[in-house]
Amino acid sequence: GENVEQHPSTLSVQEGDSAVIKCTYSDSASNYFPWYKQELGKRPQLIIDIRSNVGEKKDQRIAVTLNKTAKHFSLHITETQPEDSAVYFCAASIRNDMRFGAGTRLTVKP
Amino acid sequence: EAGVAQSPRYKIIEKRQSVAFWCNPISGHATLYWYQQILGQGPKLLIQFQNNGVVDDSQLPKDRFSAERLKGVDSTLKIQPAKLEDSAVYLCASSSAGNEQYFGPGTRLTVT
Repeated sequence: GENVEQHPSTLSVQEGDSAVIKCTYSDSASNYFPWYKQELGKRPQLIIDIRSNVGEKKDQRIAVTLNKTAKHFSLHITETQPEDSAVYFCAASIRNDMRFGAGTRLTVKP
Repeated sequence: EAGVAQSPRYKIIEKRQSVAFWCNPISGHATLYWYQQILGQGPKLLIQFQNNGVVDDSQLPKDRFSAERLKGVDSTLKIQPAKLEDSAVYLCASSSAGNEQYFGPGTRLTVT
């Protein structure tokens, strides 16, 4: 089955800096790659996603890139703010069968 | 649009006891998922339903876990008997034709 690895497990940045989280997947048939943000004690919330026919997608301060050949995708957050502090999960999906990475705890220091 | 509803929000039981969780997906969403999220880890898929049929239950510990979605809407997940390692948050999610999954608030289970 699909295996998703996520790095780093923790990331600390200064407010205003950029943050990058990387994921790799194993099954080349995966065609949907969402990113979720989970604040402490709350449900995962979809923040951005990308499909396999697209290489990059941007939504304000958040962008995701996908390299199908290398089977990796990344989340980029620019101009980080303290409210970006949370755990971020990547996932890879084949026909709605979604596998999650282990998560990255992002801390943005004011 | 109302979100995914789950109950109870919290449950504390002793090992070897039974417990059941309930999920009501977003109206019209044919696909329903149950995930187990252990503290510090990503959600792990337990079972996926398409309407009232099981699509994937390969990671469901079938000796103690069971789930059903009889009328293709609400779903229940049961653990019988519970073990200490079942302590986790159980998340329900639903999706429609696209891949986007929307999560419920989860049920935090503590097994003592």
